[in-house]
Amino acid sequence: AQKITQTQPGMFVQEKEAVTLDCTYDTSDPSYGLFWYKQPSSGEMIFLIYQGSYDQQNATEGRYSLNFQKARKSANLVISASQLGDSAMYFCAMREVQRNTGNQFYFGTGTSLTVIP
Amino acid sequence: KAGVTQTPRYLIKTRGQQVTLSCSPISGHRSVSWYQQTPGQGLQFLFEYFSETQRNKGNFPGRFSGRQFSNSRSEMNVSTLELGDSALYLCASSSGQTSYEQYFGPGTRLTVT
Repeated sequence: AQKITQTQPGMFVQEKEAVTLDCTYDTSDPSYGLFWYKQPSSGEMIFLIYQGSYDQQNATEGRYSLNFQKARKSANLVISASQLGDSAMYFCAMREVQRNTGNQFYFGTGTSLTVIP
Repeated sequence: KAGVTQTPRYLIKTRGQQVTLSCSPISGHRSVSWYQQTPGQGLQFLFEYFSETQRNKGNFPGRFSGRQFSNSRSEMNVSTLELGDSALYLCASSSGQTSYEQYFGPGTRLTVT
């Protein structure tokens, strides 16, 4: 089974509108972390937001918020007031701790977001 | 604070050769992770080093190896290169505490011909 699933290969959003990028995950580890990264065409991965499995509140960082629904194992990224510079690939990732091998990181296949003027 | 740096940025090698990539983490970060990114397989975790010790490893053959020095700088080595090793190799650094949020370098684009 895929550890991280991103079902939207591509998304379009009008400038200044909000957009939600979907992410579901699969783990039996009670302690895990969820991340979102942005990768512009330049190739560098930019950390956006983090949510710990024990965090009670949804994480927020400026225009980014993470809609964490633990029972559904979903960690959707919400970008408010989209800007042209938000056009990029977005990756959802998970860190889980495995008994013998320590931290393992898994990435989804990404969602390509295009912001339309 | 300087970000994560990777050298070289671009590399062309031929099959059978070996290659060494370098990564300097953010100052104060003790954890360095390596990833391979390809269009077909996406981002795959190679290994993580923390305080000069390999802490965990992804599912890659033994041709892929790494090490970390006392100043936290890390190198990744790939021996007996294959065409399928062509990829963007990303290094990420982390303080190694709590959230383990990782900060990535610009990557090294390796082309194997």
